[in-house]
Amino acid sequence: GQQVMQIPQYQHVQEGEDFTTYCNSSTTLSNIQWYKQRPGGHPVFLIQLVKSGEVKKQKRLTFQFGEAKKNSSLHITATQTTDVGTYFCAGQGGGSNYKLTFGKGTLLTVNP
Amino acid sequence: GAVVSQHPSWVICKSGTSVKIECRSLDFQATTMFWYRQFPKQSLMLMATSNEGSKATYEQGVEKDKFLINHASLTLSTLTVTSAHPEDSSFYICSARDWQGGDTGELFFGEGSRLTVL
Repeated sequence: GQQVMQIPQYQHVQEGEDFTTYCNSSTTLSNIQWYKQRPGGHPVFLIQLVKSGEVKKQKRLTFQFGEAKKNSSLHITATQTTDVGTYFCAGQGGGSNYKLTFGKGTLLTVNP
Repeated sequence: GAVVSQHPSWVICKSGTSVKIECRSLDFQATTMFWYRQFPKQSLMLMATSNEGSKATYEQGVEKDKFLINHASLTLSTLTVTSAHPEDSSFYICSARDWQGGDTGELFFGEGSRLTVL
């Protein structure tokens, strides 16, 4: 079945440093989504990428979808303590199957 | 955005008892809801897709007789963990898409229910 691998599993940075998490799917995706889960909370939708090579920005967050629609990345510029949490990518396969397969997530901690 | 409410947030039960978790879409109709399970510091594993008015679709390896799903209305899905055992202790989260609200593909998650089986 479809697998989505995400690295790194953990990342600790100093406030102000940049952060990147990467996702790679075993199959071509119709779209990929990114979620953030704060400690003790539930996942919250950040963005969806659909087009090959797509790049989207949300303030300090930059999301990319690979040309082959099998990989994606999330880059945070100048991290802040409010960025702490686990970032999950979730890939959706093609066809009418709307099932999302989540990566294992990257736990980001920020040292003030 | 759309709101999904889940209840209870926490539940502790004795081994062998059954526990029901409710998932409600508060401001939209959800013909399909998804139930996930999350172990500490791990990813979300899809357990089943709950379909209003029909049987749920379970993922491979998920026991349908142990995790009973009922989706009796367009705004409510329930997950019942039957004869719970300590290994069932986990964080259960439901989610739904707002198909009618101009579906963006976004999954709206409930707050989650942390089950502890003693």
